Amino acid sequence: KAGVTQTPRYLIKTRGQQVTLSCSPISGHRSVSWYQQTPGQGLQFLFEYFSETQRNKGNFPGRFSGRQFSNSRSEMNVSTLELGDSALYLCASSLADGAYNEQFFGPGTRLTVL
Amino acid sequence: DAKTTQPPSMDCAEGRAANLPCNHSTISGNEYVYWYRQIHSQGPQYIIHGLKNNETNEMASLIITEDRKSSTLILPHATLRDTAVYYCIVRVYNFNKFYFGSGTKLNVKP
Repeated sequence: KAGVTQTPRYLIKTRGQQVTLSCSPISGHRSVSWYQQTPGQGLQFLFEYFSETQRNKGNFPGRFSGRQFSNSRSEMNVSTLELGDSALYLCASSLADGAYNEQFFGPGTRLTVL
Repeated sequence: DAKTTQPPSMDCAEGRAANLPCNHSTISGNEYVYWYRQIHSQGPQYIIHGLKNNETNEMASLIITEDRKSSTLILPHATLRDTAVYYCIVRVYNFNKFYFGSGTKLNVKP
């Protein structure tokens, strides 16, 4: 079974631009979560989508948004990029609810903002 | 959500057991303890989880104290490939929202 895939793996943008990152979950998984990882703040939860609806949200500004499609694939968008948005963005998928469904993480997209 | 406290780093000799502690003193009754590890900026990898009973799988054992305020992840025979950052997480049942904390950098030495 294929794992979680994220595209692109690396991205370089300049301040003020916007970016869209993509995540394809494991087949059959309906929940997709996004995390930001930086050296200073560590791994921080951005949001979770389940059945095309945002179900949980972390403490990030409105410049960070996402969506999920009917096939469970998800995209994350960051508008008006700032230098501090440089980070590894990780996507994780899980079957659905429940403590027995662990999250499987993708390899991440490394975003550099210049 | 409950938060966790872990030592920033630990050393372990190859072939010996690695015991990684985690404090989660404010854990609620419906929160599970999860352990993940991250090797060299790859995506975190699931290791094990538990509620109140000790758990064991092919990778590790999880020991949770009776009051559930702390737990220990045990890697029975650490190898060099176990060098990673280990995260202890508490998670509310039915919520896919993890607070990762700072984690413990485990250095396995030959």
